[in-house]
Amino acid sequence: GNSVTQMEGPVTLSEEAFLTINCTYTATGYPSLFWYVQYPGEGLQLLLKATKADDKGSNKGFEATYRKETTSFHLEKGSVQVSDSAVYFCALLNSGGSNYKLTFGKGTLLTVNP
Amino acid sequence: DTEVTQTPKHLVMGMTNKKSLKCEQHMGHRAMYWYKQKAKKPPELMFVYSYEKLSINESVPSRFSPECPNSSLLNLHLHALQPEDSALYLCASSQGITRGGANEKLFFGSGTQLSVL
Repeated sequence: GNSVTQMEGPVTLSEEAFLTINCTYTATGYPSLFWYVQYPGEGLQLLLKATKADDKGSNKGFEATYRKETTSFHLEKGSVQVSDSAVYFCALLNSGGSNYKLTFGKGTLLTVNP
Repeated sequence: DTEVTQTPKHLVMGMTNKKSLKCEQHMGHRAMYWYKQKAKKPPELMFVYSYEKLSINESVPSRFSPECPNSSLLNLHLHALQPEDSALYLCASSQGITRGGANEKLFFGSGTQLSVL
């Protein structure tokens, strides 16, 4: 079956620090990979995605590269801001079948202090 | 308009009450979803509607009853809930449910925080 494992939080950083949140996956076939962000009191927003091996998704200074050889999709940002404080979810969508079901990781809480 | 609007934002209900959650989108999306999210957990898929027909029911108890009156609206009717049903209920929509390109982007609402007493 499909599964997503992401690093346990919480992660606490100072402003302008470098961020890495690790994500690895298990899936059959060729999944698409996503990072979603959830700000306090809100729903999820798609942050970035990659649909095939070696694709790099990027948005708002965040990047993640689809690594098939290591089954990973680690999220990185060179300089975090206080406004980046949120919960980050790694997710995959498998290519099999026509039904749409995202498999989410457990989420990583990021707190950025000024 | 790229919003999914959910009402109410907060709901407190007793175990004998009947209430409904509402979701609306005007992006022309043909797939709509209900997710349940417990605190500090990822969202769990409950139902998927495609072209106003129920496509996926993730073995959800019958005390949750979804309804899709038209392509823009999605309701979740609640009856005889249990305290363990307290959670954030998220609605989402996408262009379609088949894999490929823009269809893969889900737009989420801000959710309804439900408390069952």
